Amino acid sequence: LAKTTQPISMDSYEGQEVNITCSHNNIATNDYITWYQQFPSQGPRFIIQGYKTKVTNEVASLFIPADRKSSTLSLPRVSLSDTAVYYCLVGGVYSGAGSYQLTFGKGTKLSVIP
Amino acid sequence: DTGVSQDPRHKITKRGQNVTFRCDPISEHNRLYWYRQTLGQGPEFLTYFQNEAQLEKSRLLSDRFSAERPKGSFSTLEIQRTEQGDSAMYLCASSWPAGRETQYFGPGTRLLVL
Repeated sequence: LAKTTQPISMDSYEGQEVNITCSHNNIATNDYITWYQQFPSQGPRFIIQGYKTKVTNEVASLFIPADRKSSTLSLPRVSLSDTAVYYCLVGGVYSGAGSYQLTFGKGTKLSVIP
Repeated sequence: DTGVSQDPRHKITKRGQNVTFRCDPISEHNRLYWYRQTLGQGPEFLTYFQNEAQLEKSRLLSDRFSAERPKGSFSTLEIQRTEQGDSAMYLCASSWPAGRETQYFGPGTRLLVL
């Protein structure tokens, strides 16, 4: 299983861009990188997923360098409502029977300050 | 809204009682997952189904835990002879198998064992 390392917590002011970096040194060739957001007492919410280079959607961007040993989630102009725990996951369950390979760490607790 | 739903949202029980939780996945998803999350930790995988077949169970899933997905649609998770250590949030997720795995989570069932 590819292990991930991310900061335990981060603080940011409203309106700033926030970058959360995740290390995954032993990522496998077939692994994807996925980020989830979780608010207290709710299930995790899918944010973004990528394999290499850059992926952007309406809420975030994901930057993945060529060696894929790390990834950075970028949240533009955060607001108070972005205060949550963000999880970086590496892996995936492939077609057909196979071993489950998604593992959540403790995540990064982002606190947005007014 | 056709997201993942879970019932009940909250359950308080006394030690030794049996409890059952239900999960309704997104209708076109044929994979269904159960996770457990304790305070301050990320979700931990318990088991997953592809259609009605239970393909993998974590070592966390003791003999007191059983999960079913009889018709490949909704799933139930039963805990027999509950213990205080079973107190946690139980999360359900579903996905459609493809080269990349994206799981969509329900709101969770919070269990408190007194």
